Amino acid sequence: GNSVTQMEGPVTLSEEAFLTINCTYTATGYPSLFWYVQYPGEGLQLLLKATKADDKGSNKGFEATYRKETTSFHLEKGSVQVSDSAVYFCALDSNYQLIWGAGTKLIIKP
Amino acid sequence: ETGVTQTPRHLVMGMTNKKSLKCEQHLGHNAMYWYKQSAKKPLELMFVYNFKEQTENNSVPSRFSPECPNSSHLFLHLHTLQPEDSALYLCASSQESRDRYTEAFFGQGTRLTVV
Repeated sequence: GNSVTQMEGPVTLSEEAFLTINCTYTATGYPSLFWYVQYPGEGLQLLLKATKADDKGSNKGFEATYRKETTSFHLEKGSVQVSDSAVYFCALDSNYQLIWGAGTKLIIKP
Repeated sequence: ETGVTQTPRHLVMGMTNKKSLKCEQHLGHNAMYWYKQSAKKPLELMFVYNFKEQTENNSVPSRFSPECPNSSHLFLHLHTLQPEDSALYLCASSQESRDRYTEAFFGQGTRLTVV
């Protein structure tokens, strides 16, 4: 079946460091791919998405590229801030529902 | 503010209690969802309602009972829960079409503790 695998956290970085959170998927067909973010005490919010191979989603300085050849959708940011501390979820759509990764907690230290 | 409101934000209940979680969306969406979020586990989809019809029930125990009286409101009725049911319960909505999945909007969740 379809599945999403994310790197385990927590990921701890200093402010202004480069961020990569890995996400790989298994799916039939060509699903859309998503990154959601959950800030402390809040629900999930869509961060970015890509709907076909080689698409790049971007938002708030974060980027992720839909790589069909490696079945990956890694999240990157060039310079993280303390306010980026949150839990990040990778997901794909399957039959009009989302399949979720386990989430990666990101901690940014000043 | 995502347009999806959940109440209450926090709930503590005994194993013999009956309580309900409420979700309301102001986005005009046609699909609503209940998710369970437990520590260190992937989000678990519990129920899906599409056009007020339940289209998905992922083997959820009968002590959880959903209700969708209209396309804007969704309830989760709880009775005789177990301590392992303690979790964050998230409601979400989206606009479904035949072509593609679209973005889900989430409420802030209800933190449930069963004692």
